Amino acid sequence: KQEVTQIPAALSVPEGENLVLNCSFTDSAIYNLQWFRQDPGKGLTSLLLIQSSQREQTSGRLNASLDKSSGRSTLYIAASQPGDSATYLCAVSNFNKFYFGSGTKLNVKP
Amino acid sequence: DTGVSQDPRHKITKRGQNVTFRCDPISEHNRLYWYRQTLGQGPEFLTYFQNEAQLEKSRLLSDRFSAERPKGSFSTLEIQRTEQGDSAMYLCASSLVRPGLAGSPTYEQYFGPGTRLTVT
Repeated sequence: KQEVTQIPAALSVPEGENLVLNCSFTDSAIYNLQWFRQDPGKGLTSLLLIQSSQREQTSGRLNASLDKSSGRSTLYIAASQPGDSATYLCAVSNFNKFYFGSGTKLNVKP
Repeated sequence: DTGVSQDPRHKITKRGQNVTFRCDPISEHNRLYWYRQTLGQGPEFLTYFQNEAQLEKSRLLSDRFSAERPKGSFSTLEIQRTEQGDSAMYLCASSLVRPGLAGSPTYEQYFGPGTRLTVT
């Protein structure tokens, strides 16, 4: 069964720092990897989708990388802002469904 | 673009009562998913539909849970004889499966705001 792990579970940084969130998965036979943001009590907002044959995707200050062979993905956030404070979740998919990690709770201090 | 919507947003019920949640996906999406999320955890897969066919159900989905997607549009998730352990956020997502790079299909999930269920 696919297991997804996110480290660290929580992270607090001062505004302006660049930071990296980590995601690892046990089964490399994936179709996609998707990063989400979740604000307290809300649904998930899609940030980036990486297809299995891709190595990275970029959107604004966000860059996500994928190394299928080692079962790892990273989400890089440049020049963090207080508005980036949220829980960040990664999910990997086979043909049918996504498997989620427990998330990294990010706090960006002004 | 109306996005994925869910109704109700909050539901408080007494143990033993039945509850039903509704999800309206993005209109052109052919897949619809239900997840359950408890505090501090990521969403756990419950079931999914491709058009109107329910193709997979998790072992988490006991026989008290049933989901439907008549006509391949909106979906309902019903929980019968609710228990306190059913208290959670119930999330719906939809996606459009399409050909991806290198031949593998790809699909990006879009989530609704969720329904928060509290069983007292």
